[in-house]
Amino acid sequence: QQQVKQSPQSLIVQKGGISIINCAYENTAFDYFPWYQQFPGKGPALLIAIRPDVSEKKEGRFTISFNKSAKQFSLHIMDSQPGDSATYFCAASKGAQKLVFGQGTRLTINP
Amino acid sequence: DVKVTQSSRYLVKRTGEKVFLECVQDMDHENMFWYRQDPGLGLRLIYFSYDVKMKEKGDIPEGYSVSREKKERFSLILESASTNQTSMYLCASSLIGLRFYFGAGTRLSVL
Repeated sequence: QQQVKQSPQSLIVQKGGISIINCAYENTAFDYFPWYQQFPGKGPALLIAIRPDVSEKKEGRFTISFNKSAKQFSLHIMDSQPGDSATYFCAASKGAQKLVFGQGTRLTINP
Repeated sequence: DVKVTQSSRYLVKRTGEKVFLECVQDMDHENMFWYRQDPGLGLRLIYFSYDVKMKEKGDIPEGYSVSREKKERFSLILESASTNQTSMYLCASSLIGLRFYFGAGTRLSVL
C-alpha cells in the first residue's frame, strides 16, 4: 500500500510561475516530512523539510505548507526557473529514521 | 564533502545470475539504506541497516539480501536475478534524525 501519495505525476510551468506539488499521508505517527530534488543522473538530495508542529516553512523560493488535520503537505516553488526542472519526491518518516517516499513529480519549467 | 559511492552506474546481467551492488559512504553514518526507483512508483525501500551486522527488511525485500560487514559498506545482493528486478537502485546513508545522502544510483538491466 502506498503510505504517501503524491500528485501530479508531471507538471509543466512557465518561467516565473508558481509550481505546486501535493502529498497526502495515512500514518498519523509520521513526524518528519522532507522534500527531495533529483536531477537526471544524480541521486535525490534534500531540498527542505518540516515537522508537524509548524504549518509552514520557507527557504528562499521554496515553501512547505503542512495541514495536519487533513494529513496533507505541499511544496510551492515561487518564481520557478528552468534550473528547477527536476523530479521532486515528498517523503515521511516516524522517528526520523527510514523514509517512505511518494511517487515523484517530474517538473518542467518552460523558458 | 559528503560522499555515497555506488560501485557501478550501469550493469547488464542475465536472468539467474547472482548480482552484487556495492555502496560505500565516507561519513561514518550508522544508517544505510537500499531503495529501488521505478517510474510512477517512486522510491521503495528494499533493506536497511542501523548498525554493522544488523539488517532489517523494508517494504519489498523479496528476491534480495544484504550484507554489512563494515560500517561504511552496505551491499545489496540479488540471489538469482529476474527481469522484474530491472530498475534503478539507490543507496543512501544518514545519521539518526538527519538528512539522507544518496548515491548516484546503479541502473540494472536483467536480460
